[in-house]
Amino acid sequence: AQTVTQSQPEMSVQEAETVTLSCTYDTSESDYYLFWYKQPPSRQMILVIRQEAYKQQNATENRFSVNFQKAAKSFSLKISDSQLGDAAMYFCAYSEGAQKLVFGQGTRLTINP
Amino acid sequence: DTGVSQDPRHKITKRGQNVTFRCDPISEHNRLYWYRQTLGQGPEFLTYFQNEAQLEKSRLLSDRFSAERPKGSFSTLEIQRTEQGDSAMYLCASSHDRDPTYEQYFGPGTRLTVT
Repeated sequence: AQTVTQSQPEMSVQEAETVTLSCTYDTSESDYYLFWYKQPPSRQMILVIRQEAYKQQNATENRFSVNFQKAAKSFSLKISDSQLGDAAMYFCAYSEGAQKLVFGQGTRLTINP
Repeated sequence: DTGVSQDPRHKITKRGQNVTFRCDPISEHNRLYWYRQTLGQGPEFLTYFQNEAQLEKSRLLSDRFSAERPKGSFSTLEIQRTEQGDSAMYLCASSHDRDPTYEQYFGPGTRLTVT
């Protein structure tokens, strides 16, 4: 079965600085999709960024980018110019297309003003 | 654009009672997913539907749990004879199987407390 591991239960960063959240996964499939979802306190989960495994180029969405290392099965999220609104739980997730998501345990990100 | 909605948002029940939750997906979405999230953990998959067909159920979904999507629109999740271990946030998500991004859109969740 596929598994997703986030080894950092909590991270903190100064406002305007850069932070990287780690994620590793395990799968025997070659075609899959990876996601980072954000869950703000008492608010619903929203997608931050996604990556197709067949694409070598790392995905970027404004201040958010990923470092996808397929051979190492690693998928980290970099947040540049951190803002107070970035404070949330961040979940790394895996899927094989329009199937269920397998989530990691989450990383709680705190932004210090 | 109406997102995924869930009702109720909070439910407190006594052990042994039955509870039912409802999820209304984004209208054009044909896939609907249920997840369970306990405090401080990532969501765990329970089951999902394509239209009215239930395509996959997790081993987490014991015999006390049943989910339906009778007309391929809204879905209900029922828990019979609730136990304290059922206390969690129950999340619903929807998507369209032809969306190449495979993004799932989440509702606000129903928080269940079993006393």
